[in-house]
Amino acid sequence: DAGVTQSPTHLIKTRGQHVTLRCSPISGHKSVSWYQQVLGQGPQFIFQYYEKEERGRGNFPDRFSARQFPNYSSELNVNALLLGDSALYLCASSLGYGRYEQYFGPGTRLTVT
Amino acid sequence: AQRVTQPEKLLSVFKGAPVELKCNYSYSGSPELFWYVQYSRQRLQLLLRHISRESIKGFTADLNKGETSFHLKKPFAQEEDSAMYYCALSGDYGGSQGNLIFGKGTKLSVKP
Repeated sequence: DAGVTQSPTHLIKTRGQHVTLRCSPISGHKSVSWYQQVLGQGPQFIFQYYEKEERGRGNFPDRFSARQFPNYSSELNVNALLLGDSALYLCASSLGYGRYEQYFGPGTRLTVT
Repeated sequence: AQRVTQPEKLLSVFKGAPVELKCNYSYSGSPELFWYVQYSRQRLQLLLRHISRESIKGFTADLNKGETSFHLKKPFAQEEDSAMYYCALSGDYGGSQGNLIFGKGTKLSVKP
């Protein structure tokens, strides 16, 4: 099993642009969560999806959105990028909703210039 | 408020010395605590969770509800233990069940 995969690995965007990050969960996992990790900080919860429905949202502006597809993969979208959005974006998958162990992907490093 | 505090950004010890990485939490319900580790150039991975009460790679952690702590301990540090360690709480922040609230992390450096 390849584990959780994320794409792209790195990307550079300009302020005001839009970005889409992708995540494929471990086979059989139905829940995907997104975290933002700014340099020097721990990961911060953005969204959780289970069975294609949003089940939780952290304290992030509406510029951040996400969705989960029928195959349980997920996309994180960020509009109107700001310099402060530069971070490592982590995706984690788990078997179900609730206190299941979360398995993390390698992350996507986003740099906004 | 749901919060995890790791007071030390960096902890440096010599090989063979005991290690204790501190973690304190704030949570009104029944908490579930985790330790995650990130080795250089590797993804974040679960080290241990309090409900399993396992010892992984010689590390143990005991949940102390009175002191709201979940310190990570190892009696004899090894050089390969050098990594970033994050304490995390499984809460219900943002209406979600099971999302993780992380501390800022402690970088453990084990010197030869």
